[in-house]
Amino acid sequence: AQKITQTQPGMFVQEKEAVTLDCTYDTSDQSYGLFWYKQPSSGEMIFLIYQGSYDEQNATEGRYSLNFQKARKSANLVISASQLGDSAMYFCAMRGGSQGNLIFGKGTKLSVKP
Amino acid sequence: DAGITQSPRHKVTETGTPVTLRCHQTENHRYMYWYRQDPGHGLRLIHYSYGVKDTDKGEVSDGYSVSRSKTEDFLLTLESATSSQTSVYFCAISLGQGFTGELFFGEGSRLTVL
Repeated sequence: AQKITQTQPGMFVQEKEAVTLDCTYDTSDQSYGLFWYKQPSSGEMIFLIYQGSYDEQNATEGRYSLNFQKARKSANLVISASQLGDSAMYFCAMRGGSQGNLIFGKGTKLSVKP
Repeated sequence: DAGITQSPRHKVTETGTPVTLRCHQTENHRYMYWYRQDPGHGLRLIHYSYGVKDTDKGEVSDGYSVSRSKTEDFLLTLESATSSQTSVYFCAISLGQGFTGELFFGEGSRLTVL
């Protein structure tokens, strides 16, 4: 069975500093995709970044990067130069299996302090 | 940007009443999903569809049914609502092929069962 684990229920970071949100996963699939979503207090789900299981380079999207360590089954999100607008819930997710359904971790609430 | 709308956005109902949530997309994406979001659980998959009249169960399908008679509409029905089904419901569509496509989410439907 597939599983996503986010061990940090909440985190604080000072504005302009970098922060790492942890995510570990478990799957027996060889092909899978890893995703991060942001959910601000307004409630919408915003796609941030994607990493394929066969991608050798870590994914980057602007201030977001995904630290992918396949052997350790981890897919941590790194946000550089945090901004007040980064305060939100962050969800790690994985697609795999025969139907490629997306399963989510329980999320990490990030608070950015001025 | 993918066009996806959910209706109603907010609903309050009483235990034992039937409820139908509608998800409408404008771009003929094949895969559609219904998730529920509850505090401490992240998003959990209820049902999904991989084509007209092709649906399957997700992780938390008990008490829910779905129908997809047209590509653009995916309906979620609670035959007899219970208080445990108070939640925020998200519809999503898959934007890519296989494991490389992220899911694009609707704005959510907040359901309260009294």
